[in-house]
Amino acid sequence: AQSVTQLDSHVSVSEGTPVLLRCNYSSSYSPSLFWYVQHPNKGLQLLLKYTSAATLVKGINGFEAEFKKSETSFHLTKPSAHMSDAAEYFCVVSPVSGGYNKLIFGAGTRLAVHP
Amino acid sequence: SAVISQKPSRDICQRGTSLTIQCQVDSQVTMMFWYRQQPGQSLTLIATANQGSEATYESGFVIDKFPISRPNLTFSTLTVSNMSPEDSSIYLCSVVGRHGYEQYFGPGTRLTVT
Repeated sequence: AQSVTQLDSHVSVSEGTPVLLRCNYSSSYSPSLFWYVQHPNKGLQLLLKYTSAATLVKGINGFEAEFKKSETSFHLTKPSAHMSDAAEYFCVVSPVSGGYNKLIFGAGTRLAVHP
Repeated sequence: SAVISQKPSRDICQRGTSLTIQCQVDSQVTMMFWYRQQPGQSLTLIATANQGSEATYESGFVIDKFPISRPNLTFSTLTVSNMSPEDSSIYLCSVVGRHGYEQYFGPGTRLTVT
């Protein structure tokens, strides 16, 4: 069975400092992994995706994530936080093989960025 | 990515009534999904809707409560039936991207049941 755990429900950083949002997954298959962002009162936007190609994935707005199979992790990072990064972030897993493209969402991490 | 619209964007409904939410996509897609996001929570898949077949519901969701239609490859509806305050949530539809892995989401319908 697939599952995803976001290790922090809230993360607070100062503008200009690095961002780290942690995610661990459990999957019986070689998974696809995603990070989505949800700004207040807005829809979900795909930040980046891992689909068994390069383990370091670059996304939009300067975010990137590294797939580490040995650690079953897919942490999201950004070198320098911007005020506009304040939002809810979801780590998502999907089985690559078998069945349809079901997405399993983590509980979410709320990122606050302070001036 | 596909452009997805939902109607209504929000609604306030009385308990015991039903609301039908529409999802329109600007391109033909095989699979569409409906999710629920309860207040302060993550997203939970309600069902998968393929054109020409019955929707497939996840554990905890039943057709009588959440009937779904999928009349063509660009449109789907989700009805929330016999509503109670516990149904107050954001309901989102999504479609699979052209690469077959990622999903793209509509803006959501914010439902409040009083």
